[in-house]
Amino acid sequence: DGGITQSPKYLFRKEGQNVTLSCEQNLNHDAMYWYRQDPGQGLRLIYYSQIVNDFQKGDIAEGYSVSREKKESFPLTVTSAQKNPTAFYLCASSTTGGGFYGYTFGSGTRLTVV
Amino acid sequence: DQQVKQNSPSLSVQEGRISILNCDYTNSMFDYFLWYKKYPAEGPTFLISISSIKDKNEDGRFTVFLNKSAKHLSLHIVPSQPGDSAVYFCAASSSYSGAGSYQLTFGKGTKLSVIP
Repeated sequence: DGGITQSPKYLFRKEGQNVTLSCEQNLNHDAMYWYRQDPGQGLRLIYYSQIVNDFQKGDIAEGYSVSREKKESFPLTVTSAQKNPTAFYLCASSTTGGGFYGYTFGSGTRLTVV
Repeated sequence: DQQVKQNSPSLSVQEGRISILNCDYTNSMFDYFLWYKKYPAEGPTFLISISSIKDKNEDGRFTVFLNKSAKHLSLHIVPSQPGDSAVYFCAASSSYSGAGSYQLTFGKGTKLSVIP
């Protein structure tokens, strides 16, 4: 079955450490996205990529980095520069006409800084 | 600048009654609108969408209405069921923008509670 997989589901990080969240899709979608969800804040765009080897900053990119070396994969690194990293992170993918056909979301990763 | 607004953070409805979730937008270039449903600790799932050339779209118990002049859309759920209890996100996109076109802009969500 085609879908989008995020791993791990729960992740704990010590302050000052970088951590990478995995996102893989087998939907043959060109575009991929990372969102962050905080209570009362809705979904905020961190980074997006419309094609391999290219990505753009979203609204809250500071303290995050991404790569898009393969069409299927779009990992997100939460760096130590991110001041408040505890949140629920969602990865999504879409065709290039994503706004018309919608996004497919992964099941999310809950990151907690301890 | 919040381009998609869901002004009601929460809504409680009795089972069997109608649930109406509202969404307002400010960008007149938006021409496609979607509703997503999200359960806790899960990713949002697509529910229903509408193009700006229409004013109504139905799918079973779910109907979305679009009022372009008011820049307002609403999601009606009839009859409401306890399993409908979730957070509902309104989203919009524009086919007219350049780089990043077709991106979805999300509202902050409305938490619907359907009481048995």
